[in-house]
Amino acid sequence: DGGITQSPKYLFRKEGQNVTLSCEQNLNHDAMYWYRQDPGQGLRLIYYSQIVNDFQKGDIAEGYSVSREKKESFPLTVTSAQKNPTAFYLCASSIIYRDPPRTQYFGPGTRLTVL
Amino acid sequence: AQKITQTQPGMFVQEKEAVTLDCTYDTSDQSYGLFWYKQPSSGEMIFLIYQGSYDEQNATEGRYSLNFQKARKSANLVISASQLGDSAMYFCAMRDHLIQGAQKLVFGQGTRLTINP
Repeated sequence: DGGITQSPKYLFRKEGQNVTLSCEQNLNHDAMYWYRQDPGQGLRLIYYSQIVNDFQKGDIAEGYSVSREKKESFPLTVTSAQKNPTAFYLCASSIIYRDPPRTQYFGPGTRLTVL
Repeated sequence: AQKITQTQPGMFVQEKEAVTLDCTYDTSDQSYGLFWYKQPSSGEMIFLIYQGSYDEQNATEGRYSLNFQKARKSANLVISASQLGDSAMYFCAMRDHLIQGAQKLVFGQGTRLTINP
């Protein structure tokens, strides 16, 4: 089955530690995205990538880093510089066509808690 | 910058009734796209329906329809014959802009819909 997988589902981190969230897709999508969701809030874009070895900052990129070495994978690292990292993190992907894509597909999310 | 406003933090509806979730948007672009997503308690975002700004017909997908009023900048989601499984958070989103085909989505705050038996 095609889809997006994120791991782990729950992640606990001590203050001052970096942690990497995994996102893999087998939909053959070119574009991938990372969003953050705080309780009772909508999603905010952290980073996105249109192509391998290229990515762009979203609205709240400070304290985060990404890489895109393979088309299928777009891992997100939450660094110790992120002041309030406890949140729900969602990965998404979409096609890139001449016409705008009509949806983004989302993974199941990773819930990060800083202890 | 684009902005999405969902003014209903929560709604309670009887099973089998129709429900309308409000969404207004603000943009200066002529070409844009509007999306609705459902987020159950598990957290996954489920795509429901899409409306392009140049689409002549209101979008429909099964029990979901989008009441698109371009002049009023509103894109309300209508769910017909609500079911208990419709209880979830619902988010309206707009495509901010495209960069080489990748689309930034801007989300509203969401509406929590509860269907009562």
